[in-house]
Amino acid sequence: QKEVEQNSGPLSVPEGAIASLNCTYSDRVSQSFFWYRQYSGKSPELIMSIYSNGDKEDGRFTAQLNKASQYVSLLIRDSQPSDSATYLCAVNTGNQFYFGTGTSLTVIP
Amino acid sequence: DAGVTQSPTHLIKTRGQQVTLRCSPISGHKSVSWYQQVLGQGPQFIFQYYEKEERGRGNFPDRFSARQFPNYSSELNVNALLLGDSALYLCASSFPGAGETQYFGPGTRLLVL
Repeated sequence: QKEVEQNSGPLSVPEGAIASLNCTYSDRVSQSFFWYRQYSGKSPELIMSIYSNGDKEDGRFTAQLNKASQYVSLLIRDSQPSDSATYLCAVNTGNQFYFGTGTSLTVIP
Repeated sequence: DAGVTQSPTHLIKTRGQQVTLRCSPISGHKSVSWYQQVLGQGPQFIFQYYEKEERGRGNFPDRFSARQFPNYSSELNVNALLLGDSALYLCASSFPGAGETQYFGPGTRLLVL
């Protein structure tokens, strides 16, 4: 079983819609959780971090964490074509960062 | 403030050669991690160093080694290169605590022929 699993997509949404990205993790002792965005040929850039159960909002982005279900999600409101990228979920177990394979998102104008 | 820097940006080597990649962390960050990312996959953890000590090691062969210097910069060495070592090598720096949020450099793209 992989440490972090994401739907690889691709996920396509029209401009202005909500994009929903999901991630599950296997290690219950995981302490902190991150979403990164990666444009083709570029390195990952941090979108959000979340450490406690519940929702965390930052602009158009909302991260949701449910430790009981070992589930992390990212909602992107009012999606823009510039949001088209691969979104990586990362989990810090205290010893290592584990990344999912990423979900490819395309926002259609 | 400058972000994480890596050098070189691109590198072409042949099988059997050795390569050294370099990374300078964000000012004030004392931890550096190295990742390998092959096309279509997420980054795979190779090493983490903190205060010049190895803090974590991923599932990579002994051909991979790293070190951290007193100024917190780091080098990743790969010996006896294989075709499968062709990848984007990412360095990330973090300040221990605060969830250890990692910030990535631009990466070094290595091609092994």
